[in-house]
Amino acid sequence: DTAVSQTPKYLVTQMGNDKSIKCEQNLGHDTMYWYKQDSKKFLKIMFSYNNKELIINETVPNRFSPKSPDKAHLNLHINSLELGDSAVYFCASSRQETSRPGNEQFFGPGTRLTVL
Amino acid sequence: AQSVSQHNHHVILSEAASLELGCNYSYGGTVNLFWYVQYPGQHLQLLLKYFSGDPLVKGIKGFEAEFIKSKFSFNLRKPSVQWSDTAEYFCAVNGDTDKLIFGTGTRLQVFP
Repeated sequence: DTAVSQTPKYLVTQMGNDKSIKCEQNLGHDTMYWYKQDSKKFLKIMFSYNNKELIINETVPNRFSPKSPDKAHLNLHINSLELGDSAVYFCASSRQETSRPGNEQFFGPGTRLTVL
Repeated sequence: AQSVSQHNHHVILSEAASLELGCNYSYGGTVNLFWYVQYPGQHLQLLLKYFSGDPLVKGIKGFEAEFIKSKFSFNLRKPSVQWSDTAEYFCAVNGDTDKLIFGTGTRLQVFP
């Protein structure tokens, strides 16, 4: 059974379009995250939600809007896509706060976004 | 602000060689430390983690890491690597928040 799943796996689109990436976890976790991995493999957190509430919001353009309909889902909507948005986006989840022992983050398979 | 440095960007080894990947962090308070591995085309998987207790932590697939507080380091080791260990390795740290700060990663290539 897939613990953290993301759709789609690949997304190729034109500049200026709006797209969404979906994430679902079946681990019963309370906290979910979005990370961006650039072409040099550098991973950076974008957002985190705990029980549908936004906890972490890094310096991300407001074209990026996370939405959490319930604690098992955290979707990422991107408006007016730009070339620099091309990256691999990873969703992750953890049980409560990662700062507490035993609550490591589990990652999804990633979504490779290519903006042409 | 927290930061993580991985000085080895690309490591090339032959099978059976020993491995040590460096990780240094910058943070003044209590930290939790992690090593993740990303096999080609796959997602990140947790290799091992340190929260407290014994500073020598054993993980999956024969990996271990040692937390040396005085050196702000959490180096990853494996006594004998295999071809299947070829992957990208990420050190990460968090303090009293949920935010995981990742290093830039080390690409390991193991040749038979």
